[in-house]
Amino acid sequence: EIVMTQSPATLSVSPGERATLSCRASQSVSSNLAWYQQKPGQAPRLLIYGASTRATGIPARFSGSGSGTEFTLTISSLQSEDFAVYYCQQYNNWPRLTFGGGTKVEIK
Amino acid sequence: EVQLVESGGGLVQPGGSLRLSCAASGFTFSSYWMSWVRQAPGKGLEWVANIKQDGSEKYYVDSVKGRFTISRDNAKNSLYLQMNSLRAEDTAVYYCAREISELGIAKYYFDYWGQGTLVTVSS
Repeated sequence: EIVMTQSPATLSVSPGERATLSCRASQSVSSNLAWYQQKPGQAPRLLIYGASTRATGIPARFSGSGSGTEFTLTISSLQSEDFAVYYCQQYNNWPRLTFGGGTKVEIK
Repeated sequence: EVQLVESGGGLVQPGGSLRLSCAASGFTFSSYWMSWVRQAPGKGLEWVANIKQDGSEKYYVDSVKGRFTISRDNAKNSLYLQMNSLRAEDTAVYYCAREISELGIAKYYFDYWGQGTLVTVSS
């Protein structure tokens, strides 16, 4: 099983500031990595796939980078609606899909 | 508009059974791999099972093998999860999710999710 580790667990950021979230895989997943956003009481929403491609309708302030074992999700200027939990997920080892533990982005 | 609507959750005793359903609309259901993903209260996401377009291939996370069965009815645009021998650790919100892949690559992620149905296993 590929273990995905996200850091930090919680990130406190002021509106308008930049947020950088990290995701590490226990072995290479190439670029087969997705990021999801989840707000309280809601289903996850796809943000990024292929490590760096924004999903349909996702604002340009969200960007993904990395390959192999190290990945980053950057939110360039946090808006109020961006405060949520973010999960990375590898699909290189499909169908054995695994998620990271999540990073909560909270208001500072 | 793609819609996935789960139902069938509830309170069940340890050792009991439950069948979850997911009604799909807004897309050609029979053309997609489909998955169940769960989330224990206050915890992260865990993929549970998935099924091929025609139902001929099914995969499960180790913790549910032999207890859970995924199935689908393409004529009814519906996905199911039969859960037997339920344990307290199966308590979670269960999401139905559509799988998608980049063109030509047989590796899938999730592009649409339902709102989930809560399963509570407790005596």
